[in-house]
Amino acid sequence: KAGVTQTPRYLIKTRGQQVTLSCSPISGHRSVSWYQQTPGQGLQFLFEYFSETQRNKGNFPGRFSGRQFSNSRSEMNVSTLELGDSALYLCASSLEGRLAKNIQYFGAGTRLSVL
Amino acid sequence: QKEVEQDPGPLSVPEGAIVSLNCTYSNSAFQYFMWYRQYSRKGPELLMYTYSSGNKEDGRFTAQVDKSSKYISLFIRDSQPSDSATYLCAMTANAGKSTFGDGTTLTVKP
Repeated sequence: KAGVTQTPRYLIKTRGQQVTLSCSPISGHRSVSWYQQTPGQGLQFLFEYFSETQRNKGNFPGRFSGRQFSNSRSEMNVSTLELGDSALYLCASSLEGRLAKNIQYFGAGTRLSVL
Repeated sequence: QKEVEQDPGPLSVPEGAIVSLNCTYSNSAFQYFMWYRQYSRKGPELLMYTYSSGNKEDGRFTAQVDKSSKYISLFIRDSQPSDSATYLCAMTANAGKSTFGDGTTLTVKP
């Protein structure tokens, strides 16, 4: 079974631009969560989507947005990029079910560098 | 104060040593506890998860949860150089949103 797939693996952008990252969850997983990982702040939760609806949201500005498609694939968008947005962006998916929904499987991430 | 505090490390041990990795937490609503391993330039890989207080063993790895003390641990027996990585504890109270520790970097020297 294929794991969580994130594309692209690396991105270089300049300040002010916008970027879209893509995530394909494990087959059968309908919940997709996004995290930002930086050396200073660690792993921080951005948002979670389930059945094309945002179910949870972290404490990030509105420049960070996402969506989920009917096939459970998800995209994350960051507008008006800032230098501080440079990070590894991780996508995680999970099954539904009392225990399973808490167990997340991660992709390899997209490393974004903002110049 | 962070909801999850993890022993910062770094930790360096000789091959074959027993390793203890620890996290404390403050949110009583956390119900599920996970340990992830992350190699450089890779995403976190799920190692183990537990729900209740007690021990759970999987090969050389043992996860321990003490809800009364709000303390979790991961023990690695007979550590190998291939265990060298950053270990992250994670906890959930609300499905789909995990709160992570900052990670402990482990180096196992041959």
